[in-house]
Amino acid sequence: AQKITQTQPGMFVQEKEAVTLDCTYDTSDQSYGLFWYKQPSSGEMIFLIYQGSYDEQNATEGRYSLNFQKARKSANLVISASQLGDSAMYFCAMRDLGQETSGSRLTFGEGTQLTVNP
Amino acid sequence: DAGVTQSPTHLIKTRGQQVTLRCSPKSGHDTVSWYQQALGQGPQFIFQYYEEEERQRGNFPDRFSGHQFPNYSSELNVNALLLGDSALYLCASSYLSGGALETQYFGPGTRLLVL
Repeated sequence: AQKITQTQPGMFVQEKEAVTLDCTYDTSDQSYGLFWYKQPSSGEMIFLIYQGSYDEQNATEGRYSLNFQKARKSANLVISASQLGDSAMYFCAMRDLGQETSGSRLTFGEGTQLTVNP
Repeated sequence: DAGVTQSPTHLIKTRGQQVTLRCSPKSGHDTVSWYQQALGQGPQFIFQYYEEEERQRGNFPDRFSGHQFPNYSSELNVNALLLGDSALYLCASSYLSGGALETQYFGPGTRLLVL
């Protein structure tokens, strides 16, 4: 079974500074994908970034980067130059990328509430 | 390009009633997944539909059922509502291709309150 652990219930950061949100995972699968989603108070889950287990380079998408350490089973999200609009709940999730018949459910962590202070 | 849409946005029901939630996937997507998110928790996978069939199911009772239509839209039905069914119900769509291309995109959710 897959498990995602986010140990930071809440994080605070000053505007324009960088922040790292932690995520560790546990899986017996060899091929998997890791995702980060942002959930504002409105409720919609917004896809931010994806990292495949066989990707050699860390994923980057604009101000978001994923610090992937496979041996440590960690996939931390780094947000550079924080903005007030970054205040939201952030979820780490993973999915098995194996056989098609295995399905493609996402397993989520409990989330980290990020607050960006002016 | 319209994203994932869900209806209704909010719903109030009483225990024992039945509810139907609706989802239209993002253009070009053929797979719909449903998640339940209780207050203060991460989303939990309910089930996934592809080609009008349930492809995978999470640990939810049979009171939770679904359907996918030929146009790929989907419904989530919950019978005999319990207080514990109060949650945000999220629909996500994707294109069944495997790998990174199968990123799930979420709708705004339906907030269900059971009294």
